[in-house]
Amino acid sequence: AQKVTQAQTEISVVEKEDVTLDCVYETRDTTYYLFWYKQPPSGELVFLIRRNSFDEQNEISGRYSWNFQKSTSSFNFTITASQVVDSAVYFCALSRIQGAQKLVFGQGTRLTINP
Amino acid sequence: DAGVIQSPRHEVTEMGQEVTLRCKPISGHNSLFWYRQTMMRGLELLIYFNNNVPIDDSGMPEDRFSAKMPNASFSTLKIQPSEPRDSAVYFCASSFGGGPRWQETQYFGPGTRLLVL
Repeated sequence: AQKVTQAQTEISVVEKEDVTLDCVYETRDTTYYLFWYKQPPSGELVFLIRRNSFDEQNEISGRYSWNFQKSTSSFNFTITASQVVDSAVYFCALSRIQGAQKLVFGQGTRLTINP
Repeated sequence: DAGVIQSPRHEVTEMGQEVTLRCKPISGHNSLFWYRQTMMRGLELLIYFNNNVPIDDSGMPEDRFSAKMPNASFSTLKIQPSEPRDSAVYFCASSFGGGPRWQETQYFGPGTRLLVL
């Protein structure tokens, strides 16, 4: 069975601080996708990134960066120099590449950036 | 380009009434997913279609729920009769993929917030 754990239920930081959101996953598949989605207060789910299990290169996109470590089954997300607009609930998710395609989501981390 | 479109955005109904949620996937996508989000259970897949055919409906709660995809640009999720425990946000997502073999990223609609009194 697949499982995603986001142990941090809520995080609150002051603007301009760096913050890391943790994600640990479980799967028996040898190939899989990992995702991060953002859910701002308006409620929609916004896709941020997708990684393949066979590509462990870290990725940076502006103030966002992702650290994928297969050895520890983790896919952590760091926001550098946080801004108030980053306040949202962030979800980590897992899916197979082949077979059943459903996304298995973690419970989410509510991030609050205070001015 | 238009994203996934869902209607209505909000629905308030009374227990026992029929509720129909609608979704228009992104043009060119051939897979469509219905998810439900609740505080207790988080985000969970209800059903997904590939090329208009239901592939996995194991997440559909019970017979009161049904979903259809009559063509590539439209899907409905129906609850009949509705119950207070059905209150949730229902998301539709679409992607391009080859069904059981491979799938691209799922993009989500804005969701329908359902309240059953």
